[in-house]
Amino acid sequence: EVQLVESGGGLVLPGGSLRLSCSASGFTFSSSWMGWVRQAPGRGLEWVAKIKQDGSEKNYVDSVRGRFTISRDNAKNSVYLQLNSLRAEDTAVYYCVKDQRASYWGQGTLVTVSS
Amino acid sequence: DIVMTQTPLSSPVTLGQPASISCRSSQSLVHSDGNTYLSWLQQRPGQPPRFLIYKISDRFSGVPDRFSGSGAVTDFTLKISRVEAEDVGIYYCMQATQFPFTFGPGTKVEIK
Repeated sequence: EVQLVESGGGLVLPGGSLRLSCSASGFTFSSSWMGWVRQAPGRGLEWVAKIKQDGSEKNYVDSVRGRFTISRDNAKNSVYLQLNSLRAEDTAVYYCVKDQRASYWGQGTLVTVSS
Repeated sequence: DIVMTQTPLSSPVTLGQPASISCRSSQSLVHSDGNTYLSWLQQRPGQPPRFLIYKISDRFSGVPDRFSGSGAVTDFTLKISRVEAEDVGIYYCMQATQFPFTFGPGTKVEIK
């Protein structure tokens, strides 16, 4: 059974940083693109970033490029999202997703940016 | 970025009756590899989204056959042949042809 478990969310001040983690199991992690999708409270979905199987290719939506960094550790079956220079508009539930179809989703971790 | 629109935004339906959701993209979703990467996802209340359909009409593992997808190029449709209580939620179309991958605004399906 595919499982994706996110962690690392919380309350942070504007301009602050957080590191989100996603632990994967139930599939061959090193063979799958991975991504992060966010959903602001009561809002729709926004694909934030994705990373290729070996980490050689990373893509970001314009609104986070230069502030967020996606990475992965295939030995640990984990993918990460480093969030820097956080803004109020980054407040959202962040979901870890498997592959470029988003075929599986974690339960999400809430990031709240507020003073 | 490719903009995805959906109609209707809300769809009250009677149990056992069909439902249909339309999705339109601002440009062709035909990829250079010949595939059209249009997906449908379902989000039940309080839950993360669930993947239903890929490449217009391919149902994902475990998805009931009352869900079907159709369409081409820029116009797509999700149909539920007979709505059941567990189908209540918000349905999103998503394009994965060109990054950033983008989602429609969602269509809320509720029981009359």
